[in-house]
Amino acid sequence: EVQLVESGGGFVQPGGSLRLSCAASGFLFKNFEMNWVRQAPGKGLEWVSYIVSSSGSTIYYADSVKGRFTISRDNAENSLYLQMNSLRAEDTALYYCARTISNYYFDFWGRGTLVTVSS
Amino acid sequence: IQLTQSPSSLSASVGDRVTITCRASQGIRSYLAWYQQKPGKAPKLLIYRASTLQTGVPSRFSGSGSGTDFTLTISSLQPEDLATYYCQQLDNYPSTFGQGTKLEIK
Repeated sequence: EVQLVESGGGFVQPGGSLRLSCAASGFLFKNFEMNWVRQAPGKGLEWVSYIVSSSGSTIYYADSVKGRFTISRDNAENSLYLQMNSLRAEDTALYYCARTISNYYFDFWGRGTLVTVSS
Repeated sequence: IQLTQSPSSLSASVGDRVTITCRASQGIRSYLAWYQQKPGKAPKLLIYRASTLQTGVPSRFSGSGSGTDFTLTISSLQPEDLATYYCQQLDNYPSTFGQGTKLEIK
């Protein structure tokens, strides 16, 4: 059974940092592209970042997080990460990781981890 | 690429035919997916490549379109279809989502 479990969320002050993790199981993680998607409270879905399968050599970011967030993966640990620096109030959201079938869809999603940025 | 869904919300009765539209600001071929998100849950994939039904999704859901104009249709609305529906383009990155359509049951 495919499972994605996010962790690492929490409460942080503006300007602070957090590192989110997504533990994958039930599939050959290194073969799949992955994405982070976030959802602010009561709002819609916002794509955040993408990383290609295997090498992780191709990465994309939303303009809203570029230069502040870093996506990475550890195929040996079956894990996806999102390092978030210089956090702002508008980064407050539930962060989901999602398994991706290239150009087609995000077929499995975790339950999300909540990030709250507030003073 | 901007995706505009309409309507933003709608209320319909059980058994009704419901149509949601998604318009892209530029052509995205058929690289469009539809998701259903129930309250407190992660999004669930319904349709990909504009018209292909994901395994396990009831056949009352269907999708159509290509280029810039797409539709999601529920042929006979069921109580469990209460949810917010999102379209997503995957033609290129940055991927984008529509703003969502909240579907309520009368």
